Amino acid sequence: QSALTQPASVSGSPGQSITISCTGSSGDVGSYKFVSWYQQHPGKVPKLLIYEVNKWPSGISSRFSGSKSGNTAFLTISGLQAEDETDYYCCSYAVSGTYVFGSGTKVTVL
Amino acid sequence: EVQMVESGGALVQPGGSLRLSCEASGFIFSNFWMNWVRQPPGKGLEWVANIKSDGSEKYYVDSVKGRFTISRDNTKKSLDLQMNSLRDEDTAVYYCARETYGGKDFDYWGQGTLVTVS
Repeated sequence: QSALTQPASVSGSPGQSITISCTGSSGDVGSYKFVSWYQQHPGKVPKLLIYEVNKWPSGISSRFSGSKSGNTAFLTISGLQAEDETDYYCCSYAVSGTYVFGSGTKVTVL
Repeated sequence: EVQMVESGGALVQPGGSLRLSCEASGFIFSNFWMNWVRQPPGKGLEWVANIKSDGSEKYYVDSVKGRFTISRDNTKKSLDLQMNSLRDEDTAVYYCARETYGGKDFDYWGQGTLVTVS
């Protein structure tokens, strides 16, 4: 049940695209379609951005997109905006009915 | 409107016990798996435990097994987390989170309650 590995920080200029990786194992990311992504602004509750690797909940901008390859999932933010500057976490369903979150990535808009 | 309100957070000494509660409203509570997720101050999210809609299945992160117990009362629309043998590293904001119906993600979260072990 080790945390999924995410880069500590990713940065980009307004309008650019950035991608955050989330690396797990064959016991979680590699075996299930149940990878989700959450955005958390300081002092706020996490917000679901992407579920089941690449699906959008109602009301979420299509600037956020997800994908997966092997044991690694990815979140891409297109057309980066100032309001995207905050923390992002991946999460995967794992063996034995548990979940594991990623270590978190701070996105900075230059 | 879906709402979940946690309570019970407090300052407790190492080795002590605490019981957290989450009161739900705005949805059919008995249809959903429910979870506890925690976040130490300034750190990342950690999934703690979950319980099936009817309470028949429960799962825990290894670090709390044998110390924490998740439970629910569908008649009262409430979710609990009994925490025993508390350690410094259990210090965190504890969130109640609902699993998406038929899915494996968390679509609604409570505002959280702070547990400080010191």
